[in-house]
Amino acid sequence: EVQVVESGGGLVQPGGSLRLSCAASGLSFTSYWMHWVRQAPGKGPVWVSRINTDGSSATYADSVKGRFTISRGNTKDTVYLQMNSLRVDDTAVYYCAMGMLSPDYWGQGALVTVSS
Amino acid sequence: DIQMTQSPSFLSASVGDRVTITCRASQNILTYLNWYQQKAGKAPKLLIYSASSLQSGVPSRFSGSGSGTDFSLIISSLQPEDFATYYCLQSYSPPLTFGGGTKVEIK
Repeated sequence: EVQVVESGGGLVQPGGSLRLSCAASGLSFTSYWMHWVRQAPGKGPVWVSRINTDGSSATYADSVKGRFTISRGNTKDTVYLQMNSLRVDDTAVYYCAMGMLSPDYWGQGALVTVSS
Repeated sequence: DIQMTQSPSFLSASVGDRVTITCRASQNILTYLNWYQQKAGKAPKLLIYSASSLQSGVPSRFSGSGSGTDFSLIISSLQPEDFATYYCLQSYSPPLTFGGGTKVEIK
């Protein structure tokens, strides 16, 4: 069974930082791209970032470029999202997902709230 | 960025109805199109990938078609557990972009 589990969400002040982690199991982690997708309350999902199988290439949505960094630890079957300079409009549930070019297997999500 | 226009945004239907949801891309995306189902408080679930391939474990009443710019998700006979919100997603070119969603509610 494929399992994707996010952790690290919470409340942070505007301008602060947070790192999300995502542990995946049930598939060969090193064979899959990893994605982060977020969903603000009452809104549709928005793709945030993806990283290729060996971590050599990452792509970002314009809204997070320069502030967020995706990385992966293939020895730990884990992917990370380092979020800096957080803004109120970054408040959302952040989903991690395994897939190839697209997110196929999703975690349950981690809530990130940016508020003073 | 590629824009995905999904319609309708809201759909009221009865159990047993045939339902069609469409997605139009602002440029040719070949068949790099997925469909997802999302229920309240849950993560999106992949139903269809590559425009027409059924994800493992998804009931056969779901089907997808299309290529280029025009795509459809069809539910052949709506079941009570199908009442949810559906999204399309293009993965042809980053940034990946979702359609605006279609909420399917009970008539």
